[in-house]
Amino acid sequence: SQQGEEDPQALSIQEGENATMNCSYKTSINNLQWYRQNSGRGLVHLILIRSNEREKHSGRLRVTLDTSKKSSSLLITASRAADTASYFCATDGDTNAGKSTFGDGTTLTVKP
Amino acid sequence: ETGVTQSPTHLIKTRGQQVTLRCSSQSGHNTVSWYQQALGQGPQFIFQYYREEENGRGNFPPRFSGLQFPNYSSELNVNALELDDSALYLCASRSGTGRRTDTQYFGPGTRLTVL
Repeated sequence: SQQGEEDPQALSIQEGENATMNCSYKTSINNLQWYRQNSGRGLVHLILIRSNEREKHSGRLRVTLDTSKKSSSLLITASRAADTASYFCATDGDTNAGKSTFGDGTTLTVKP
Repeated sequence: ETGVTQSPTHLIKTRGQQVTLRCSSQSGHNTVSWYQQALGQGPQFIFQYYREEENGRGNFPPRFSGLQFPNYSSELNVNALELDDSALYLCASRSGTGRRTDTQYFGPGTRLTVL
């Protein structure tokens, strides 16, 4: 079974709006990553946040991590049509770096 | 472009056949992980190779096997193909293993269809 669960499963917004996706996981982690996937192709790494970090930024992306609630969120600000994709969170445990456990993703549609 | 390449891009096989998928890792990366992604789902970890040795395996049967070569490229072999093996197979490479938190980089995937 998957460790991570993304919420919502699908999200549709207008260009320029912000998009927030949430991820919950079950066991303790070493780090959490967010990925983007376009049309069933390879995964593009967006951000990695370590278990001792609470927030990271990268351009229009902001990721938060709350280890007490075992949850993370990805915020995309000022969305663009090109942000349309599926977004996945993945977790690595203490001794299984690179053996990531993924959720089933959030499908984001940004309408021009 | 991540520097991770996979071949072939697409593959069609029939039930019972065997298939070999290939992955070339990014330069300097000695760890390769393989994932299976069924349609509409997230990737599931199959196994990882570190310096030519299997270094962890997910919940997949023994008919899923792999190799890593001295140049750190890797193969995924699946025997006795079943219809449920139809999926996108992704490989990812990274540097090191254990507690290191280096990013892993994914290839574009191989789409396998089993008829």
